[in-house]
This record gives sequence, structure tokens and C-alpha cells, in this order.
Amino acid sequence: TQLLEQSPQFLSIQEGENLTVYCNSSSVFSSLQWYRQEPGEGPVLLVTVVTGGEVKKLKRLTFQFGDARKDSSLHITAAQPGDTGLYLCAGDVDSNYQLIWGAGTKLIIKP
Amino acid sequence: NAGVTQTPKFQVLKTGQSMTLQCAQDMNHEYMSWYRQDPGMGLRLIHYSVGAGITDQGEVPNGYNVSRSTTEDFPLRLLSAAPSQTSVYFCASSSHRGRGATEAFFGQGTRLTVV
Repeated sequence: TQLLEQSPQFLSIQEGENLTVYCNSSSVFSSLQWYRQEPGEGPVLLVTVVTGGEVKKLKRLTFQFGDARKDSSLHITAAQPGDTGLYLCAGDVDSNYQLIWGAGTKLIIKP
Repeated sequence: NAGVTQTPKFQVLKTGQSMTLQCAQDMNHEYMSWYRQDPGMGLRLIHYSVGAGITDQGEVPNGYNVSRSTTEDFPLRLLSAAPSQTSVYFCASSSHRGRGATEAFFGQGTRLTVV
């Protein structure tokens, strides 16, 4: 069974702090995506990483794909209340459209 | 751009009732899927389709049927609703973004309560 483990499951911090969310597996992925889901909405794609060691930046969000393509991290700098949401990672094993999903990290940024 | 459209957004059913959750996409994606999302369990795949006329079971298919008569539409049918099917349901369509990277686009979800 292929699993993607996300940690932490829940994180509540003050505005302005930095944080890192992790997504780990024993499986190798051809690509990995990060999604953000707000209450009452569906997940929205933030970024896709495809190359081992790849780093992508989206304003204050930095995404990294592990060298072995088994893990990924999401780092948020100077978190803002607008960053509040459920962050999901999803791995693409063999490009057959079926994604392996992490359980999510619920992030709350307090003003 | 509409993307993926799901209806209804909310639904309450009595145990034993049946209903159809509608899903339509306008992005000409071949792959579509249905997920359910329960607290602490992430997204679990119910059924998926790789094109019109082709469907297959996902991780939790029992109690659900699907059909795919067109590229655009992928309805999910609950045959005889049970309280265990209380959940939030998401329809998604997916594309390959070069180098085979699958990216999913989701509808807004249907919050279903079975009493």
C-alpha cells in the first residue's frame, strides 16, 4: 500500500511566524503536488514539482521535492491569516492519473 | 471559466433513498474521478473514468455507481443511502502537465447528510 504521510496534522500559529509542513513516503513519485483547501471549497492546486531536489517559490511559500522524490516540504514565511486552510499533498506514482493523497495539514494563522 | 461544476452543494437524504450527484467539466479532460472526504481521512477515491464509456472502481466503491456517456459529464449515483455515506463528495478532472505530471481540478463539493 502506497502512503503519503503528512505532518503535522494540525498547526496553529501567530501571524508573522514561519512554518514547515512535511509530506513523506517510502514510494518514489514521478511528481508531487500541493493543494490548499478552504472551508466549503474544493482543493486548489498550488504547485507541481517533478525533479528530485527541485525548489519552487510562490510568493511567501517555498516548496521542495526531495532528492530521491519520496518526500516534499512546504515552508511558509511570515504567515498571514489568509494562509489559513487545509494543505494537501498528492503524489503521482506512474503518471496514470491516479494520485496518492496525504491526509492533510490543517493550518490556522491567528491575527 | 467554469472548470468543474458540481450540484447540488448540500443534500439531506433519508436512509434507503437514492440520488445522483452531478459533475460536469469544460476542460476536455479525459480523466475524471469522485472522492469522498471525511475528517482525518483525507481524500478517498470512489470511482474514476479514463474516458467516455470507461469507468473503474477506486478505494471505496461500495454503494456507489458511475457512468460516463460523454467526456464532460460524470454523475455519481448513491443506490440506497446509508448513514456511513454522510460525507463531503468531490468530483475532479485531471490533466497531464508535461512530463506526465497529473494535476487535479476540483468542484466545490457536495455536503451530503444521511439521516
